[in-house]
Formats: sequence, C-alpha cells, structure tokens
Amino acid sequence: DVKVTQSSRYLVKRTGEKVFLECVQDMDHENMFWYRQDPGLGLRLIYFSYDVKMKEKGDIPEGYSVSREKKERFSLILESASTNQTSMYLCASTTDSTDTQYFGPGTRLTVL
Amino acid sequence: EDKVVQSPLSLVVHEGDTVTLNCSYEVTNFRSLLWYKQEKKAPTFLFMLTSSGIEKKSGRLSSILDKKELFSILNITATQTGDSAIYLCALIQGAQKLVFGQGTRLTINP
Repeated sequence: DVKVTQSSRYLVKRTGEKVFLECVQDMDHENMFWYRQDPGLGLRLIYFSYDVKMKEKGDIPEGYSVSREKKERFSLILESASTNQTSMYLCASTTDSTDTQYFGPGTRLTVL
Repeated sequence: EDKVVQSPLSLVVHEGDTVTLNCSYEVTNFRSLLWYKQEKKAPTFLFMLTSSGIEKKSGRLSSILDKKELFSILNITATQTGDSAIYLCALIQGAQKLVFGQGTRLTINP
C-alpha cells in the first residue's frame, strides 16, 4: 500500500512565523504535490515537483516556497505566515505510470 | 481559464435514496477525469474515466463521462450513512497535474 505521511495533523502558528510542512512518501514516486483546501474552493495546487531539486509553480504559489532535496520528501514553506494562509494543506504523490494521486492525511494550519 | 464545476455544492438525503452528483468542465485538454471521496482526512480514489460513454461501477457507485457534453456524473444507489463525505471531481492535465472542482458535500441522514 502506498503511504503518504504529513508531519503534523494540526498546527497553530502566529502571523509572521516561518512554517514548515513536511510530506514523505514511501513508494519511490517521482511526482509530489502540495494543495490547499478551502470551503467552496475545492483543492488548489500550490507547487509540484517532478524530480529531486525540481519544482514548478501551481495555481496559487504566492506566499509559499518548496524544497525537494530527497525523492521521498517534499516540504512546503511559508516564509512569513499570514492569516489568509489558514487552511487544510494536503500533500499527494504519484508515479509517472499512473494518473491516480495518493494523498496524505492533511495538515490543518491555523495562523493567528 | 480551465474550470471544473461540481453541483450541487451540498446535498442532504435519507438513507436508501439514490443520488447523482455532477461534474462539468471547461478544460481544453485533459487525459482523464477522476472522482475522489473525502471523509475526515485524505481524499481516497474512486474512479478514473478516460473514454466517453463507458460506465465504471464499484458496488453501489457508478460513474460515466460524456466528452461531447463536457460532464461526468457519479451515482450512488441505496445510500448509507457511511456514504456521507465530500466528493471531489478532478481532471488530469499534462503530467499528472490535477484541476479540482469545489466538491459536493453529501450528507446521508438515517
């Protein structure tokens, strides 16, 4: 079974703090994705990565950066957290040979 | 701009009812349409539809894609309280990049 894990289920941070969200997958998948999910807006793609040290902007990259130093790990970074980044963050991974994305359990981030 | 629209956004029915969830899209180029079920945490995969007019079935769930009219439907028959969830529709563009709809929140009352 594919397993995608995220470092925290719930996180509370203050405005201006630097926030790291970690995602790890154990199936040697090439592709990894970060989404945020907000009511009425569905899932929106923030960043994705097709390979180690490679990253591409998604639909809403502003205020975020990412890091992929190892194939199994994809980190989402909020350089200076703001209240409008309060959201559910979902990580997903997939291999080149399938269209099915496997999701992690999500991190609910609250920025005060 | 590529767009995926799901309807209704919210639906409340009684156990045993049949429901139809809609996903329409304005996407110029895509490989597959996916349906996911999301309960409290991560979305779980339900169906992948690539060809128009071919129904996919899994137990009480079924789905079909109409590429001419640009929509897909997800049917659930004899609903159970365990079917309560958010149902997400997504299209795959390019190399595994997904465009999601807003989701339909389905509530099944006993």
